[in-house]
Amino acid sequence: RKEVEQDPGPFNVPEGATVAFNCTYSNSASQSFFWYRQDCRKEPKLLMSVYSSGNEDGRFTAQLNRASQYISLLIRDSKLSDSATYLCVVNTGRSGGGADGLTFGKGTHLIIQP
Amino acid sequence: ETGVTQSPTHLIKTRGQQVTLRCSSQSGHNTVSWYQQALGQGPQFIFQYYREEENGRGNFPPRFSGLQFPNYSSELNVNALELDDSALYLCASSLGTPGDATNEKLFFGSGTQLSVL
Repeated sequence: RKEVEQDPGPFNVPEGATVAFNCTYSNSASQSFFWYRQDCRKEPKLLMSVYSSGNEDGRFTAQLNRASQYISLLIRDSKLSDSATYLCVVNTGRSGGGADGLTFGKGTHLIIQP
Repeated sequence: ETGVTQSPTHLIKTRGQQVTLRCSSQSGHNTVSWYQQALGQGPQFIFQYYREEENGRGNFPPRFSGLQFPNYSSELNVNALELDDSALYLCASSLGTPGDATNEKLFFGSGTQLSVL
């Protein structure tokens, strides 16, 4: 099983709809989780951290399910500008924390259609 | 903007050549990480430098090497280029020390697109 797995999509979603995608991770000792957004051939940018209690930032909600070892990202009222690749990032604990423990998934490609 | 700059933006090399990619981190960010992103893949961790010393390494051969300088700049060197080295190379800086939660929040540069022919 890969360390971090995502459905690559693409997810084609009409503008205004709600879309959700998951990411599974294999290391049960993982402590930190993030969602990054990457526009076509540009650099990834941090979208949000994922906390155990779940967290919300405007139209975006992230959830963590430790028992099943997955994190999710929900986007409500989707906008055309939400079209991007969403990268799941998990600290797989190579060194107990810090940047060198971060493992990226392949990303989920989201296309919002007018 | 993240305050992290990379140069050059694009580069074409031939198999067997050597290449040096450069990154300038945000002032105060003592940690720099380098990633390789092939088309359709997520970024793969190459290595990390903290205060001018290598502090962690991914599954990349020794022909991938790096340097970090006191002025928050760094380099990625790749020797004996192979066709599979064609990718987007990203550097990312972060605050704090390895092991800190703050160290995990990465600020990426816009990358260098390397093509090996």
